[in-house]
Amino acid sequence: GAVVSQHPSWVICKSGTSVKIECRSLDFQATTMFWYRQFPKQSLMLMATSNEGSKATYEQGVEKDKFLINHASLTLSTLTVTSAHPEDSSFYICSARPSQGGEIEQFFGPGTRLTVL
Amino acid sequence: GQNIDQPTEMTATEGAIVQINCTYQTSGFNGLFWYQQHAGEAPTFLSYNVLDGLEEKGRFSSFLSRSKGYSYLLLKELQMKDSASYLCAVWDSNYQLIWGAGTKLIIKP
Repeated sequence: GAVVSQHPSWVICKSGTSVKIECRSLDFQATTMFWYRQFPKQSLMLMATSNEGSKATYEQGVEKDKFLINHASLTLSTLTVTSAHPEDSSFYICSARPSQGGEIEQFFGPGTRLTVL
Repeated sequence: GQNIDQPTEMTATEGAIVQINCTYQTSGFNGLFWYQQHAGEAPTFLSYNVLDGLEEKGRFSSFLSRSKGYSYLLLKELQMKDSASYLCAVWDSNYQLIWGAGTKLIIKP
């Protein structure tokens, strides 16, 4: 199957700093990528839908100025957590849907565990 | 509102069969997915149902009844590596994935 990578896989930062997470589709192009957040023992929560070349669509309750999303190419989307605070500590997962081939499946990255001290 | 319900936790014995149920109420329906997620890892795709009936894929099968807003995932010949969370997700009318909270499956020897 298609491969999606995320970098970094884990990060620890101080409160108030910004953290950038990259999501790459390695062997396919993805017009649409999704960013999720998952707290312990809870399900995935969609944060935003990222479309190449246009502004991301954020879910209700997600601050677009705090979670900056850039989808500059068909293989790369980035999520920047600005001025991170301990409550932002979570598991962030991206997924990508292939642009062609009629794929209905989303391919998930391995996730990034963020810990804000 | 949109809602997906599945049991929080289930326990089964190695070699046995287990059925994980999922009921949903969404604004429109364009298919139902089952994903497997091991602790600390991202979800992996198991199945997709858009028509009523049973889809079999090896040890795993998934069933859908659109009229009842109901699906189940059936796991046969359980192995210890099947211990994971199983997530039910529905594509709504806007092709947005609505996720259930997941069912943690514990396999005992």
